[in-house]
Amino acid sequence: QQQVKQSPQSLIVQKGGISIINCAYENTAFDYFPWYQQFPGKGPALLIAIRPDVSEKKEGRFTISFNKSAKQFSLHIMDSQPGDSATYFCAASYSNYQLIWGAGTKLIIKP
Amino acid sequence: DAGVTQSPTHLIKTRGQHVTLRCSPISGHKSVSWYQQVLGQGPQFIFQYYEKEERGRGNFPDRFSARQFPNYSSELNVNALLLGDSALYLCASSLLGGTTDTQYFGPGTRLTVL
Repeated sequence: QQQVKQSPQSLIVQKGGISIINCAYENTAFDYFPWYQQFPGKGPALLIAIRPDVSEKKEGRFTISFNKSAKQFSLHIMDSQPGDSATYFCAASYSNYQLIWGAGTKLIIKP
Repeated sequence: DAGVTQSPTHLIKTRGQHVTLRCSPISGHKSVSWYQQVLGQGPQFIFQYYEKEERGRGNFPDRFSARQFPNYSSELNVNALLLGDSALYLCASSLLGGTTDTQYFGPGTRLTVL
């Protein structure tokens, strides 16, 4: 119940295309769902986050879609650019301090 | 402004040894969290400290311990190292430590246990 399952493990998208990464969870007590971006040799950086009381949140080219009934949420990257090539992690939390992380998706944007 | 800094960058130890990793949070941040990231996996929560008190602990053995100092910097200690402790250890700081409080990560310390 503590797991967050992330897919796909890796993803190759053409420049200008839409990148979609999916996550699923079991624990209905989760109430905060962030996405992190990690470049090689760097720590993760918060990209965008959502709470379950909204179904979608958009920040620039990045959108989180949230489906509470299906216990799924996804990250959409519009107009994907080579600079978006990184590893993306979804996470979830129900406490004040502990984030449960997905296994990560390695995204490659082909020029 | 300086971000979260961690030292050392890389470390090689042998089984059974002890290691101390250090973290300096962003100025003004009072909370520090530690995570272990094994290659190819997401980070696993180890500890969170706020105002020098342990606020939370993940599912790690007692060989792992940490503390936070009055200047809010933190140390992570691991005793009796095992091969499986080889990982990237990440430190994150935040203003107050709540999960919805943005956590800013350092570059990590790469620990290799031989």
